[in-house]
Amino acid sequence: AAGVIQSPRHLIKEKRETATLKCYPIPRHDTVYWYQQGPGQDPQFLISFYEKMQSDKGSIPDRFSAQQFSDYHSELNMSSLELGDSALYFCASSLEGSGTGELFFGEGSRLTVL
Amino acid sequence: EDKVVQSPLSLVVHEGDTVTLNCSYEVTNFRSLLWYKQEKKAPTFLFMLTSSGIEKKSGRLSSILDKKELFSILNITATQTGDSAIYLCAGEANAGGTSYGKLTFGQGTILTVHP
Repeated sequence: AAGVIQSPRHLIKEKRETATLKCYPIPRHDTVYWYQQGPGQDPQFLISFYEKMQSDKGSIPDRFSAQQFSDYHSELNMSSLELGDSALYFCASSLEGSGTGELFFGEGSRLTVL
Repeated sequence: EDKVVQSPLSLVVHEGDTVTLNCSYEVTNFRSLLWYKQEKKAPTFLFMLTSSGIEKKSGRLSSILDKKELFSILNITATQTGDSAIYLCAGEANAGGTSYGKLTFGQGTILTVHP
């Protein structure tokens, strides 16, 4: 079965550079969530989208922005990167109204900022 | 601010042992409590709990929620080395309507099962 696809899997950037992470949800899933998990930390919710509209916002820095496109894929744009942005970025998708409460996570994009 | 706390942070057992992982939560407009297992990759879903006192079971794993005391436990019986992982619990806030709210994760319990 198709899963949540994230790209790139690994990314190395320098401070003050920009990075873009992509997430392709499971087909027919209409909701996408972004989480940031620092080394040894629990995942922190960043932002979510439902039907291409932002549905909720968590601890996302102003330097970050995200959107969901007409094909439901989502992109997380990170600018003016800082060392502390080094983390594993998870995308998850769900089907609104499915009643299961289950988020399906991608395998994550590991960002390293040098 | 929503908060989820798990204990213990780390647990080392031998195969065949039974373990109990704890999760307490403070989530505004709480809707559900979810348990995930995280190995080297993405968290995989274990259980979603919305009602107090109703045990959910899946093989050797079971979980229950107490909405009065604001906690949940995850039990694993007859542990195997393949159970070694980080177990995350997350509280879900009701975002209104049928929309799923954001999850607030606990810091996780690292379970190591030795042969």
